Amino acid sequence: GAGVSQSPRYKVAKRGQDVALRCDPISGHVSLFWYQQALGQGPEFLTYFQNEAQLDKSGLPSDRFFAERPEGSVSTLKIQRTQQEDSAVYLCATSILPGSYEQYFGPGTRLTVT
Amino acid sequence: QKEVEQNSGPLSVPEGAIASLNCTYSDRGSQSFFWYRQYSGKSPELIMSIYSNGDKEDGRFTAQLNKASQYVSLLIRDSQPSDSATYLCAVNDNDYKLSFGAGTTVTVRA
Repeated sequence: GAGVSQSPRYKVAKRGQDVALRCDPISGHVSLFWYQQALGQGPEFLTYFQNEAQLDKSGLPSDRFFAERPEGSVSTLKIQRTQQEDSAVYLCATSILPGSYEQYFGPGTRLTVT
Repeated sequence: QKEVEQNSGPLSVPEGAIASLNCTYSDRGSQSFFWYRQYSGKSPELIMSIYSNGDKEDGRFTAQLNKASQYVSLLIRDSQPSDSATYLCAVNDNDYKLSFGAGTTVTVRA
C-alpha cells in the first residue's frame, strides 16, 4: 500500500503480558517515529529511527518499552510486563528525509491493558 | 519537550462560518509549524505547514504565523460538516522531533 500501516489495529492484553506492535513505513521513508496518544491528548514522542539507527529514545516511558528497526524498514515497538497506564493509541509516523517534519501517520494500534 | 498550547474547545461553528484556531509555543527557536486534522478514531493527517511569518493559504485553510508573539493560527473558511474533527498544532522540538498540543475539537453545525 501507499501509506503507513500498523498491526494489530487493536490489542487487549492482560496486565503483565508482553505485546509487540508493528509498523510498516512508506517505502523509502528514512525517518520513523513512534508516538503514544492518550485519550484527549496530542501525540507524545517516544522514539526516532533514521534508517536502522535509533537516534533518540528519550520519550520511552520506562525500560519496559523497547523499539527496533533492524533493516531500516519495518519497526516493532515492544512493551514488556504491560501495566494499565500503558493503555493508549500507539502511532507510527514516517517522513521521507532525515530532519523532515512532514510526518505521515499510520492508523495506530489501540492497546487496552486489563 | 517544549510546550505547545491550544485554545480549549470544543469550538462549535455554523456551516459556512469561519473557524479560528489558536496555538502558542514556548520555544522561541522553533522554526517549523504544522496543523494536523484528526477525525475521531483516526490518525492525524497533515493539512498545513508554515515556516515563515505571515499567512499561507491552501484552499479553505489559512495558516498564520507570528514568531515574535510565538503564535500560530489556523482559519477554516466556509466551514463544512466534514471539517468537524480535532485539530492538532505541532511545533518542531529539535532537528527532527515534533511537539504537539492537546488539540481543539471543532464541530460544524449544519
